[in-house]
Amino acid sequence: DADVTQTPRNRITKTGKRIMLECSQTKGHDRMYWYRQDPGLGLRLIYYSFDVKDINKGEISDGYSVSRQAQAKFSLSLESAIPNQTALYFCATSDSLTSGRFYDEQFFGPGTRLTVL
Amino acid sequence: KQEVTQIPAALSVPEGENLVLNCSFTDSAIYNLQWFRQDPGKGLTSLLLIQSSQREQTSGRLNASLDKSSGRSTLYIAASQPGDSATYLCAVSGRGSTLGRLYFGRGTQLTVWP
Repeated sequence: DADVTQTPRNRITKTGKRIMLECSQTKGHDRMYWYRQDPGLGLRLIYYSFDVKDINKGEISDGYSVSRQAQAKFSLSLESAIPNQTALYFCATSDSLTSGRFYDEQFFGPGTRLTVL
Repeated sequence: KQEVTQIPAALSVPEGENLVLNCSFTDSAIYNLQWFRQDPGKGLTSLLLIQSSQREQTSGRLNASLDKSSGRSTLYIAASQPGDSATYLCAVSGRGSTLGRLYFGRGTQLTVWP
């Protein structure tokens, strides 16, 4: 089984709809991240969380919100989807400073392809 | 703001060639540098991680080097195979207030033909 899973894998929605993307991990990591990937632009950080009570904005947080329901679960919401949010979304995890071997190596899920019409 | 650049953007080589992918970054205050592989429509697979205090890391036919002072890293792939065809991404992790945040390059799309 995959260590980092994302649901759904593909989603087509309409402008104005609320969408939630979910991420779960079995790696026991404290840190979780949401990125989006656009063709030709590389990956950009949307939000990140260093533990259940810690949420931080990344480079491109406008139009998005997140929820860290548990150590293993981190959800990304688009409150009112718009076409320029069409992208490939990735969740990632990494170990924490307290783990004793903090290299900050990030492990990625398989991605969610979101299309907003 | 950290900027990461990868050259070339695309590379096509015959099987068996040794090749080098380049990555440069503007802020040398990094925690580590990570190389990833991405297959079409798939997620990212971590290939190698180099901590800022290290000069290189090796895994099988892959060798990554880091020159932090000049803001450069290279990924060397020996004896390339068609199965190496993918996009290779370089990412650096910040320090201090940006600790834990990865900054990505746009990738090098590699095609290895038989």
